[in-house]
Amino acid sequence: EAQVTQNPRYLITVTGKKLTVTCSQNMNHEYMSWYRQDPGLGLRQIYYSMNVEVTDKGDVPEGYKVSRKEKRNFPLILESPSPNQTSLYFCASSLLEAGGDEQFFGPGTRLTVL
Amino acid sequence: ELKVEQNPLFLSMQEGKNYTIYCNYSTTSDRLYWYRQDPGKSLESLFVLLSNGAVKQEGRLMASLDTKARLSTLHITAAVHDLSATYFCAVDIWNTGKLIFGQGTTLQVKP
Repeated sequence: EAQVTQNPRYLITVTGKKLTVTCSQNMNHEYMSWYRQDPGLGLRQIYYSMNVEVTDKGDVPEGYKVSRKEKRNFPLILESPSPNQTSLYFCASSLLEAGGDEQFFGPGTRLTVL
Repeated sequence: ELKVEQNPLFLSMQEGKNYTIYCNYSTTSDRLYWYRQDPGKSLESLFVLLSNGAVKQEGRLMASLDTKARLSTLHITAAVHDLSATYFCAVDIWNTGKLIFGQGTTLQVKP
């Protein structure tokens, strides 16, 4: 089944404790992206990647890191989480065919930083 | 400042009625996306609009793009309760892969 998976789905952590949220897709998509969704603020892009070893900042990259060493994986790293990073996080992927294609979203990761 | 603005933000309508959701954006782009999100769920892609004048239809939903006016519309025909959800538009800034989302329009269709 074609899908984007995220782990963990739920995470409660404390300020300053490094964490990684994994994202994996099995559709051989070049493009992958991370978003956060907050009430009243909608979805905001954190980082995106057009292909392996190519990453770019989205609208709200501060406090996050990403890497794209393999095509299928795009982990989101919070080196020192803070309470303002409490949010619902979505990973997505798509083909780059014709410059744009529908994005497939993962199920989301709900993160709480205490 | 780059902005993507949807209106209305909330829409309550009766089944069988027609309505349009508007998505205005402030930057140059000819790639615009529409998504649907059900409560507590992830996002589902509805439409990808890649050029000026693009029109796509799926069931009771039709989306269009006017890049000169920097405007996209999502038209709902003869709404049914199953269409109740939040709808987002998103614009690809300068066609780079960097996306800005609208605030979302929550649609409530009453039986």
